[in-house]
Amino acid sequence: EIVMTQFPASLSVSPGDRATLSCRASLSVSSNLAWYQQKRGQAPRLLLYGASTRASGIPARFSGSGSGTEFTLTISSLQSEDSAVYYCQQYVDWPRTFGQGTRVEIK
Amino acid sequence: EEQLVESGGGLVQPGGSLRLSCAGSGLTVNTNYMSWVRQAPGKGLEWVAVMYSSGGTYYADSVKGRFTVSRDDSKNTLYLQMNSLRAEDSGVYYCARERWMNNWFDPWGQGTLVTVSS
Repeated sequence: EIVMTQFPASLSVSPGDRATLSCRASLSVSSNLAWYQQKRGQAPRLLLYGASTRASGIPARFSGSGSGTEFTLTISSLQSEDSAVYYCQQYVDWPRTFGQGTRVEIK
Repeated sequence: EEQLVESGGGLVQPGGSLRLSCAGSGLTVNTNYMSWVRQAPGKGLEWVAVMYSSGGTYYADSVKGRFTVSRDDSKNTLYLQMNSLRAEDSGVYYCARERWMNNWFDPWGQGTLVTVSS
């Protein structure tokens, strides 16, 4: 099983500032990585796939990079509505596995 | 619009059974890979099981032998039969779609809550 590790576990960012979230895979997943956003009380929502492609309707302030085992999600100018938990997930192999999540809070 | 709607959650005693449903609209369940993903209270996401478009299935070790995925093509609905339930099976259960060659989860249903407690 591919283990996905996210860091930091949480971060607090001021509105308008940049947030950088990291995800590491225990084996190479190439670019078979997705990021999801989950707001409190809601289902997860797809943000990015292929490590860097924004899903439909996702604002341009969300960007992704990386391949192999190291990935980054960047929120370039944090808005209040970006307060959420963010998960990375690999889809190169079964079982599908998620990171434990990074909680983003607005200062 | 593609949507998934789960139902069937509730309170069940340890050792009991429950069947969850996931109804698709705007998409065809049997032409996609359909997964169940769960989330224990205050915890992260855990993939549980998948039914492939071929009808084959694959399960997480934590539920193998206790949970069964099936579907009813006439109802465009996916099911998760959960037997021998344990307290650690409690949480919100989501269904989610993967497309062939586009293997990320999208869309997700709204989830249904399962509570295993005496």
